[in-house]
Amino acid sequence: QLMESGGGLVQPGGSLRLSCAASGFTFSSYEMNWVRQAPGKGLEWVSYISNSGNSMYYADPVKGRFAISRDNARNSLFLTMNSLRAEDTAIYYCARDGQTSHYMDVWGKGTTVIVSS
Amino acid sequence: QSVLTQPPSVSAAPGQKVTISCSGSSSNIGNNYVSWYQHLPGTAPKLLIFENDKRPSGIPDRFSGSKSGTSATLGITGLQTGDEADYYCGAWDRGLSGAVFGGGTKVTVL
Repeated sequence: QLMESGGGLVQPGGSLRLSCAASGFTFSSYEMNWVRQAPGKGLEWVSYISNSGNSMYYADPVKGRFAISRDNARNSLFLTMNSLRAEDTAIYYCARDGQTSHYMDVWGKGTTVIVSS
Repeated sequence: QSVLTQPPSVSAAPGQKVTISCSGSSSNIGNNYVSWYQHLPGTAPKLLIFENDKRPSGIPDRFSGSKSGTSATLGITGLQTGDEADYYCGAWDRGLSGAVFGGGTKVTVL
């Protein structure tokens, strides 16, 4: 299971840190992702992190503003979001990467981020 | 605009079959596996198909996937009202070094 938290209302230019608590599997063995869905839009991949945390990738719209990290000892995934913009308003999901290739086999229910003044 | 292209909507009567296409490029579908997801608003997306044509445990064989070149297709047979949802294709894109999704296809059961 995956459970996100940390969403909320934040002003443009502000910061927020999302968390994702993992349970029921060996968290340190899996690569992880953040995916978001803006109101009325489709799914958009945000970021990926390797199981060790040594490798990270980001979608162009969030590069330089968002940072993905993980704490394998605490079975937790994080997304630190800085310089937030109105277009970052979305439901943010954490998703587990498949073990054999890149697909997302376990998803959380999401946490909502609203960027507005 | 999404990197992968899907039709916005498809529809059919209960018991019928629908297919959803997903078109990409050599950077994504052409050289990587395709996955498919079902998403109902307010819920967690669900993996339906991975590695082009494999179904996770618990997904009925009414759902099928295929890939040819830079395109992929999701098929749903024996359509049920519970299948009404948004469906997304996904793949890893080597050029972007990230995952990409289609824009989503809304399935309506008439």
